[in-house]
Parts: sequence; C-alpha cells; structure tokens
Amino acid sequence: SAVISQKPSRDICQRGTSLTIQCQVDSQVTMMFWYRQQPGQSLTLIATANQGSEATYESGFVIDKFPISRPNLTFSTLTVSNMSPEDSSIYLCSVRTQGANTEAFFGQGTRLTVV
Amino acid sequence: GDSVTQMEGPVTLSEEAFLTINCTYTATGYPSLFWYVQYPGEGLQLLLKATKADDKGSNKGFEATYRKETTSFHLEKGSVQVSDSAVYFCALSEAGNTPLVFGKGTRLSVIA
Repeated sequence: SAVISQKPSRDICQRGTSLTIQCQVDSQVTMMFWYRQQPGQSLTLIATANQGSEATYESGFVIDKFPISRPNLTFSTLTVSNMSPEDSSIYLCSVRTQGANTEAFFGQGTRLTVV
Repeated sequence: GDSVTQMEGPVTLSEEAFLTINCTYTATGYPSLFWYVQYPGEGLQLLLKATKADDKGSNKGFEATYRKETTSFHLEKGSVQVSDSAVYFCALSEAGNTPLVFGKGTRLSVIA
C-alpha cells in the first residue's frame, strides 16, 4: 500500500496568481499521476510524472499552465499557473505500487477556488 | 482508447434497499477493474477490485463480478445504509503502473 500526504488541502486564490500543490508518498514509486476533478465531475488525468524525466501531459493540458516537478521517487509538485475561475477544481495526486493489477492510491486532494 | 461508462446519477434509495450501479467498459486487452468510493469531503478509497474474468470483488457488503462476455462490472449491495451515501466511481487499468481510467461517477444518497 501507499500513504500520500497532499497539501494544501484547500486554498482560495486570486486570479492571475499561481499555486503549487505538493504530494509526499511514504514509499518509492516510479510514476505519480495528477488528476483534476471539476465540480460534480469525474477525474481527468492531467499528466504522468516520472522521476528523472519530463512529465507527460494529456491532451488539453500543457506544461506552461501545469508545470510539474518530480525531484525524487517519493515527492512531486503540481503548479497551477496564471489561474482563472475555470481552474477551480479538486486536484489529486495518485500512485500505483509495483506489481500487476495493483490499485491506485490517492491523496486527500486540494480543493482550489479561484476568485 | 479505453473507456468506462457508468449509470447516471444521482441515485436515491431508502435504507435497506437493494443497490445496483451499472458499469461497462471498453478496452483493447484484459484490464483490471475497480470500484472507488468518495465520501463527502474525503479522498478516493478503493472499495473493491477484480483482475480477471469471473472474479468477484467484495468489501463492506458490496460486490461486483468481472463479466468479460458483457464487458461489465456492476456494483451491488443487498441492503444499503445511510452511511453508504457517497459518489461511486468505476475504473479500469490495462497494465500496472499506468493511470486508471474512470467513469463519470454515480452519486448515491440513502435516506432513513
């Protein structure tokens, strides 16, 4: 299993500013995943963060808007840049432990409101 | 690409009623299937999973059977409680160390 500590748990930010979300895992994992969950919606994958290389972004998400760092095997950050009210969402980090058919573990999420 | 379709909510049931939340999937290979639950104000938790055809996952009175012939993984519970009120997500994964693909989620409200 894996325990993920994600912070901040929530924030209210002014438009045009940036927020960095941190995720710390209690074990070493190869890949970390960042999701967005808009109000009342499902989870949408933003990017996959692999230690030692640039993150891989899904269609509709770009590095300039959502820069990701992955300095080691237990930590990652996601920055939401130049925020607008449309960025108001819950942001979640996730990992899967080694082995086939393992489940994904999630942080508690960061509830972001942009005003 | 892979996708998951689950029944639209919200679903409102009386306590002790029978619950079914339908989930079907599209995948190129033989995925693992999962149900996650998100209680109000909390993160996602794994509810149950199944990794091959005819496997039955179960937990907390919930069950789901991996049906390859119908590409389905319907969630059932014989008698729901108020504490089961949450959003339920069906998800799949084709291989380890890849992100899960989620359905849209189904909000369940159980009233006393």
